[in-house]
Parts: sequence; structure tokens; C-alpha cells
Amino acid sequence: DQQVKQNSPSLSVQEGRISILNCDYTNSMFDYFLWYKKYPAEGPTFLISISSIKDKNEDGRFTVFLNKSAKHLSLHIVPSQPGDSAVYFCAASAQAAGNKLTFGGGTRVLVKP
Amino acid sequence: DTAVSQTPKYLVTQMGNDKSIKCEQNLGHDTMYWYKQDSKKFLKIMFSYNNKELIINETVPNRFSPKSPDKAHLNLHINSLELGDSAVYFCASSLWTSGRVRETQYFGPGTRLLVL
Repeated sequence: DQQVKQNSPSLSVQEGRISILNCDYTNSMFDYFLWYKKYPAEGPTFLISISSIKDKNEDGRFTVFLNKSAKHLSLHIVPSQPGDSAVYFCAASAQAAGNKLTFGGGTRVLVKP
Repeated sequence: DTAVSQTPKYLVTQMGNDKSIKCEQNLGHDTMYWYKQDSKKFLKIMFSYNNKELIINETVPNRFSPKSPDKAHLNLHINSLELGDSAVYFCASSLWTSGRVRETQYFGPGTRLLVL
């Protein structure tokens, strides 16, 4: 049973435009959410996170929005750059579970020049 | 200056063999993890060690045995390899997390295991 879902397996966007990646979760105990970025043949690298006490966190071109009532979060990348082409994983953790991360299936982003 | 390293990067072996994957981190972290990325690309946690003590042990066949000789190393030994063990295995590390503070996990480059 997938507790974290990324329903869009892929996304194609023009350079300079906004990329919006979505993630849904089912476990109401999750209170911390992260986005990781992964290039081929490399490990995931941390991008941005958000605690459940916030609804928005911004870091440069990356903004994560959290809608707790809908159990939904999204990652906005603006403007998108060719170097952003990668697979993006949404992950979640619950305080009671320590630092155990539950990952979504990933969304492959292609930014076209 | 690699933060989390894994060896080997690629591993091709026959069914029934026993193999080990090594992981080392030089970040000064005290917690290490093993994740498996299956053919459907899902990343799932297998084990976690804090200060050489097992703290997370997901539903993993007991053919898989992690070993942590010290805080900087977490090795994964797999006995009697099966076809379904083919996957990419990622090691990660972080500082210990307690309460509301969540420490970022840093991942290694992965070990691609193919069982024939």
C-alpha cells in the first residue's frame, strides 16, 4: 500500500517556465515532507523540505507547498532550467518513526531548451 | 572528498551466491541506512543503524544482514541471492533524529546488483 504517491510519472516543460510536481499522501501521522532530486547513476540529493506546521517553504527557485487537509504537497520550480532535468522524489516521515523516509515513485522532469 | 561512498558500484552475480556491499560516510554522522530501489523505481528503507545499533528493520528476508563495525560504516551482506534481489541499493547517512527535528539524509551513489 503506497502511502506516498506521485501520480505523474513524467513532466515536460519549456526552459524558463514553471514546473509543478505533485505528491499525495495517505498517512495522517506524516508531519515532515521532503523533495529529493536524482540524476541517472547517482544517489538522491536533498532539495527542500517542509514541516507540517508550515504551508510553504521557499529556497531560491524552489518552493514547496503543503495542504494538510488535502494531504497534498507540490514542488514549484521557477524558472525551470535544463539542469533541472532529473527524477524528483517526494518523501515523508512521521515523528514517531524517527527518520524513516517513505518515498513516492518519482516524477521524471525534462526541461527543454 | 566523497561524503557517502559505496562499493562496488556494479555487482553481477549468479543465483545462490553470497555477496556484500560496503558503505562508508565521512560526514561525522551517527545514523546510517540501507534503501532498495526496485524495478518500479520505488525507494524503500530496509535497515537503519544508530551508533552501531539496529533501530529500523523493515520486512526484509533474513538473507539480508546488515553489519555496522563502527559509526562510519554500514555493510550489507546478502546470502543465497535470488533473481528478485536485483535492484539498486542505496546507502544513506544522517545525524540522529529525535523529536520534531529531522536531520537530512545524504545518499551514496548506489550499487547496481544484477542476479542471473
